Amino acid sequence: EAGVVQSPRYKIIEKKQPVAFWCNPISGHNTLYWYRQNLGQGPELLIRYENEEAVDDSQLPKDRFSAERLKGVDSTLKIQPAELGDSAVYLCASSPGTTYNEQFFGPGTRLTVL
Amino acid sequence: AQSVTQLGSHVSVSEGALVLLRCNYSSSVPPYLFWYVQYPNQGLQLLLKYTSAATLVKGINGFEAEFKKSETSFHLTKPSAHMSDAAEYFCAVSDRGNGNNRLAFGKGNQVVVIP
Repeated sequence: EAGVVQSPRYKIIEKKQPVAFWCNPISGHNTLYWYRQNLGQGPELLIRYENEEAVDDSQLPKDRFSAERLKGVDSTLKIQPAELGDSAVYLCASSPGTTYNEQFFGPGTRLTVL
Repeated sequence: AQSVTQLGSHVSVSEGALVLLRCNYSSSVPPYLFWYVQYPNQGLQLLLKYTSAATLVKGINGFEAEFKKSETSFHLTKPSAHMSDAAEYFCAVSDRGNGNNRLAFGKGNQVVVIP
């Protein structure tokens, strides 16, 4: 069974530029999470989807961050415009459902903003 | 809100020696507890989890952890370190039954194995 797929793996951009990350969860997993992991820290939740609905986006900086999961499968996380402080690893995770307690993580996208 | 504390960002252990990583949690309700491992340039992989069954939990790669409610702890151990155990380890907590399965992670322990 394929795991969570993320692309790109690495991205370097200049500040004020837009950037997007893509995630394909494990087949059949209804719940999808986006996390941000700053250097030397644990991951922090940005947003959680149940199918196509964003049910927990309280941690998402909505002035510059947006996300979508149009058909309840793939998801895209966007930053526009990027700031220096956005440099981090962006992790996508999925699980069969909210009540299922294990989350399966993708390899992440390492973003560097110059 | 739930949280976990992991002390000591870097942990050095000799090959063949005991690995002990400490995790203390804070939760207003009985928690679910997890240990994840992260190898360089990879995502997080679940080592083990506590979800209210046996308090001593065995995971992959020879790791185990014991849930101690009285100490609000969930320390991770491995009797004999191997070079391949060099990685970053994260403890995480999730409140049971809160419907959102939000994981709160500690800051992690970077484990270095000395030959």
